Amino acid sequence: EDQVTQSPEALRLQEGESSSLNCSYTVSGLRGLFWYRQDPGKGPEFLFTLYSAGEEKEKERLKATLTKKESFLHITAPKPEDSATYLCAVPNDYKLSFGAGTTVTVRA
Amino acid sequence: KAGVTQTPRYLIKTRGQQVTLSCSPISGHRSVSWYQQTPGQGLQFLFEYFSETQRNKGNFPGRFSGRQFSNSRSEMNVSTLELGDSALYLCASSWGNNEQFFGPGTRLTVL
Repeated sequence: EDQVTQSPEALRLQEGESSSLNCSYTVSGLRGLFWYRQDPGKGPEFLFTLYSAGEEKEKERLKATLTKKESFLHITAPKPEDSATYLCAVPNDYKLSFGAGTTVTVRA
Repeated sequence: KAGVTQTPRYLIKTRGQQVTLSCSPISGHRSVSWYQQTPGQGLQFLFEYFSETQRNKGNFPGRFSGRQFSNSRSEMNVSTLELGDSALYLCASSWGNNEQFFGPGTRLTVL
């Protein structure tokens, strides 16, 4: 069965303090890895899709990278508005298997 | 382009009742998936429909059911509600087998 593990569970950053979130996965035949951002009480917002090892995607202060066993979401010079829970997921059999998420809090 | 819409946004029910939640996908999307999100279990897959056919079902009891209509709109139903069914129910749509785009969710509270 697919397994997706995210670390750390929570991350508290000072504004401008860059950091990385980890998503490790165990899946037979990776068909993509997705990153989402979720604000409290709202649905997840799609951020990136990565399909192959070595691939990188960027959006504003976020950059996602993929290796054969894990993905990283780098947050560069974060701002308070980057505070959210970041989820990664892998698809298989028409469903997404999600990690538990990393809750990022950025203090001004 | 309008996003995924879900109605109602909030529901309060009592144990033993049943509930129906509705989801309208992004125009052109033919796949609709449902997920349950709770603080303890995270996001758990319920079922997925494509062109009115259920292609996969998660590990939930038979009290949870769904369907999809010819216009791709979907409904899910939970019968004989239990306290543990309190959760955020999320609907997501996609073209068929790739990125899924989520709606705002329906917050169900069972008293």
